[in-house]
Amino acid sequence: GENVEQHPSTLSVQEGDSAVIKCTYSDSASNYFPWYKQELGKGPQLIIDIRSNVGEKKDQRIAVTLNKTAKHFSLHITETQPEDSAVYFCAASETSYDKVIFGPGTSLSVIP
Amino acid sequence: DARVTQTPRHKVTEMGQEVTMRCQPILGHNTVFWYRQTMMQGLELLAYFRNRAPLDDSGMPKDRFSAEMPDATLATLKIQPSEPRDSAVYFCASGSSGPGDSPLHFGNGTRLTVT
Repeated sequence: GENVEQHPSTLSVQEGDSAVIKCTYSDSASNYFPWYKQELGKGPQLIIDIRSNVGEKKDQRIAVTLNKTAKHFSLHITETQPEDSAVYFCAASETSYDKVIFGPGTSLSVIP
Repeated sequence: DARVTQTPRHKVTEMGQEVTMRCQPILGHNTVFWYRQTMMQGLELLAYFRNRAPLDDSGMPKDRFSAEMPDATLATLKIQPSEPRDSAVYFCASGSSGPGDSPLHFGNGTRLTVT
């Protein structure tokens, strides 16, 4: 079955700096790679996703890249703000509506 | 704003008691997932349904856990008997397959404490 690894487990950046979280996956059948943000006491919330026919996707300060050959994908957050502080999960799935396997999470702290 | 609703938000129970968690998926979503979150194991998939039929429950301890969808607007996860190791946050998520497919939307979870 699918296995998703994620690094780093914790990340601390100064406000305004960039943050990068990297993930790898094992199952070549995976074609859908969402990223979720989880705030304390809440469920994970989808912030961006990418499909295997796309190498990069951007939404304002957030960008994701995918290297399907190497089975790597990454989340980039630019101009970080204190409200970006949360736990971020990468995940992989065959489609957007099949079982999604999550990485272990990255706790991001943005220091004002 | 459509959302997944989970009840109760918190549950404290004694070992050996039955626990039932409920989930109302987003209207029109045909796929429902149950995940368990712990510090040690992260987000684990327990089971998921499509059009109310179970597709995969391999992540669920079969001897004490059961998941059902009595109708399209309700999913339940039961633990009987509960054990302290079941203490975790249980999340329900819903999505939609087919044209205009929708990715997973999560509820805010049920925090279960078994003493």
